[in-house]
Parts: sequence; structure tokens; C-alpha cells
Amino acid sequence: NAGVTQTPKFRILKIGQSMTLQCTQDMNHNYMYWYRQDPGMGLKLIYYSVGAGITDKGEVPNGYNVSRSTTEDFPLRLELAAPSQTSVYFCASSLRPGTGPYGYTFGSGTRLTVV
Amino acid sequence: AQSVTQLGSHVSVSEGALVLLRCNYSSSVPPYLFWYVQYPNQGLQLLLKYTSAATLVKGINGFEAEFKKSETSFHLTKPSAHMSDAAEYFCAVSEARSSASKIIFGSGTRLSIRP
Repeated sequence: NAGVTQTPKFRILKIGQSMTLQCTQDMNHNYMYWYRQDPGMGLKLIYYSVGAGITDKGEVPNGYNVSRSTTEDFPLRLELAAPSQTSVYFCASSLRPGTGPYGYTFGSGTRLTVV
Repeated sequence: AQSVTQLGSHVSVSEGALVLLRCNYSSSVPPYLFWYVQYPNQGLQLLLKYTSAATLVKGINGFEAEFKKSETSFHLTKPSAHMSDAAEYFCAVSEARSSASKIIFGSGTRLSIRP
């Protein structure tokens, strides 16, 4: 059981480039989330999805886009990379909404640097 | 709105000493509370969770936390620190019995263990 898989693990982008961070889970979880982690700031929610075809903004959605065409996959798209998007990105999934007593299952993260 | 405050961004203890990581929450409704641990270059792992059952919650690796409603606290403790406990710890909160909200994370506390 692989859990939540994120690719790539590391990436360096130039300002203005675009890329997609991949996230896939094999636990048949309906709920999926993208967070960014900056030093001393904890985790901030970027986007989340409650099922295939349904997505919504989190706390810091500007500069990002998402799609959810299948239950398994929840890619995060950066269209015009900016230095402020340098961060570690985590994908997570859960069986129930984040409110439930189940917590999240996290991927191992993608470390992105924009130069 | 919910929030979590972790007191102390960095805590250092000697091996074998008591570990105490502080977390205070704010929630207008009964909360679910979580502690997550993050080892270097890894994702977050659920350490323990409070879901309105017993107020003293036992987790993995000898950690436990006590929910104190009167103090709005959920401090994490371990009687005897081990070198392998060095990691970053995140307290998190979500609303119980609500399908709409998500998990809110604190800014994290980095735990260092001195030999």
C-alpha cells in the first residue's frame, strides 16, 4: 500500500516557468489537500477537493490551480512561477472530511525553488 | 474561526529528560485535536488525536497528550526523551461534527535532543 505519492521530490524553476506537482493516492480517499510549508509558518492550505470534479480554494490559492478528474489524482499547477512560491509542498488525503477524527495521510513532499 | 498556537518554535532537552511541547487552541465549537510529527525530509505522520473520548490520549513512540478544556490546551509530553525523537512537531485542530471545515495547523515546534 503506497499511500500518498508525490512527484517530483525536488525541482528548481526559473521565474515565469510553469510546472505541475503530481499527487496520487491508492486508498480510495475522497478528500485530498495541497499544503505549502514555509519555515516557521506551519502548513497553509492551498486547495482541497472533496471528490472527483469538485475543488475549492484554501487559505493561499493565488498563483496555483488544481484539477480532480479521478479519485486517485490531484495535481497542483503553477502557471507563472515566482520566488514567493519557493516552498515545500505537501499533498494529503483523508477518508472523511478534515473535521473527522481520522487525520490526514501525507505524502513525502516536493521541495520547490524558484530562481 | 479556529486557530492553534504552539508556544516555542524550538525546544531542546537532554536525552532521558521530560519532553513538553505546548499547544493552545481556539475553537467556538468542540474540537478534534491532533499532534503530527515530521522527521527531516519527510511528510507529516499522525502521532495522536483527541476525538472527545478520553481526555488523556496515548500515541505512538511513548508520547501522550492531555486535553484540558478549561485551559484550551493540548500539550504533548513524553517522560524520557530519546535521540530518535528529534523532529518537528505540529499541533492541529478541526471542528468536531462539521462537514465543512478543515484541519488548521500550528506553526510547529522543533525538538532537539542533547546527548
